[in-house]
Amino acid sequence: DSGVTQTPKHLITATGQRVTLRCSPRSGDLSVYWYQQSLDQGLQFLIQYYNGEERAKGNILERFSAQQFPDLHSELNLSSLELGDSALYFCASSVAVPGGPHEQFFGPGTRLTVL
Amino acid sequence: QKEVEQDPGPLSVPEGAIVSLNCTYSNSAFQYFMWYRQYSRKGPELLMYTYSSGNKEDGRFTAQVDKSSKYISLFIRDSQPSDSATYLCAMLTTSGTYKYIFGTGTRLKVLA
Repeated sequence: DSGVTQTPKHLITATGQRVTLRCSPRSGDLSVYWYQQSLDQGLQFLIQYYNGEERAKGNILERFSAQQFPDLHSELNLSSLELGDSALYFCASSVAVPGGPHEQFFGPGTRLTVL
Repeated sequence: QKEVEQDPGPLSVPEGAIVSLNCTYSNSAFQYFMWYRQYSRKGPELLMYTYSSGNKEDGRFTAQVDKSSKYISLFIRDSQPSDSATYLCAMLTTSGTYKYIFGTGTRLKVLA
């Protein structure tokens, strides 16, 4: 158990809908990362937050948004869902301070199925 | 061109074989090099972590970094069926823009 929790485990929804994925980082970790993993694309970095502020942005679609709250949990919002958004969404957390350590601890993931 | 390239495999080897997994990269600013292992339907977990060039050994696993060639490797000795997983390389730079990039992963199957 990495100490990172993600809810829900599974989500089935229809095209055009909006969903929210939730992540609680490990105790003491200030940085949260969101990744999308599909069979043909591997692990795609979406966005990183550090202590409530957006720190880095990857291949995140405009239909997707995220935030990190004062208690450090994070939410990833996916809207106007399309079939191609079906994937595993991972959240990871790390200490992310200069000098390391730089290990990312991954949650169990949320499997999103868009029908 | 992707910043990190990794052969997706799959790679099938017999039990006991030495496995070599590799990644190449294009960004010379990367300073930290990691290997993660991901079992099916689970999140990745860190296997090994190296700073700059050189070798690092941990049990049956050896990580090598050649910054001059922008090439990193993970060797697994005496491979076991329990090593069957996807192996992802990852790279990080903290100078300037903080950038943490994963390879797409190589799927490894060790046959009993």
